[in-house]
Amino acid sequence: AQSVTQLGSHVSVSEGALVLLRCNYSSSVPPYLFWYVQYPNQGLQLLLKYTTGATLVKGINGFEAEFKKSETSFHLTKPSAHMSDAAEYFCAVSGGTNAGKSTFGDGTTLTVKP
Amino acid sequence: DTAVSQTPKYLVTQMGNDKSIKCEQNLGHDTMYWYKQDSKKFLKIMFSYNNKELIINETVPNRFSPKSPDKAHLNLHINSLELGDSAVYFCASSQIRQTRDYGYTFGSGTRLTVV
Repeated sequence: AQSVTQLGSHVSVSEGALVLLRCNYSSSVPPYLFWYVQYPNQGLQLLLKYTTGATLVKGINGFEAEFKKSETSFHLTKPSAHMSDAAEYFCAVSGGTNAGKSTFGDGTTLTVKP
Repeated sequence: DTAVSQTPKYLVTQMGNDKSIKCEQNLGHDTMYWYKQDSKKFLKIMFSYNNKELIINETVPNRFSPKSPDKAHLNLHINSLELGDSAVYFCASSQIRQTRDYGYTFGSGTRLTVV
């Protein structure tokens, strides 16, 4: 079985500050890891993904995440928050026989203060 | 030129009614999904079809029945709607190649309210 834990259901940062959203996963097989963003009243949009290869992955809107196998983590960062980054963020894991069956974390609400 | 489109976007109905939600994708993906997002924004997979074949069928009341007439379409029919069915239902698609997962493309969701 696979699982995801997102530490912190709410994160608040000031505009221009570093954004750090934490995700830890559990998987008995090499994982595929994803971050999705959901703006109010919209569907989820894929921000970035780790499949294999380079452990630092870059996504859209200036976000990036680093896969750390030893820490079973896949934290999402952005150097400088923008007001438009305020949204719900979901980390997800799949892999092995569960390729294509993503298990999602409970989400983190990011608030950006002016 | 929407990649994954769902209809309707909003659905308000009375308890006991039967309703359907439709989903279509124009990405050429071979796998489609239904996810349920509850009021706390938790996402739970319900069903998945690969080339019209049901491959994931989670613990969902049998009042929910998916149908995939072709690999570009996945519909969800719900019988005898209950208050607890109120949620946002998302359709998604993906392309799985040799067990490599590239992630989902989601539709914009259908907000179902049962009164």
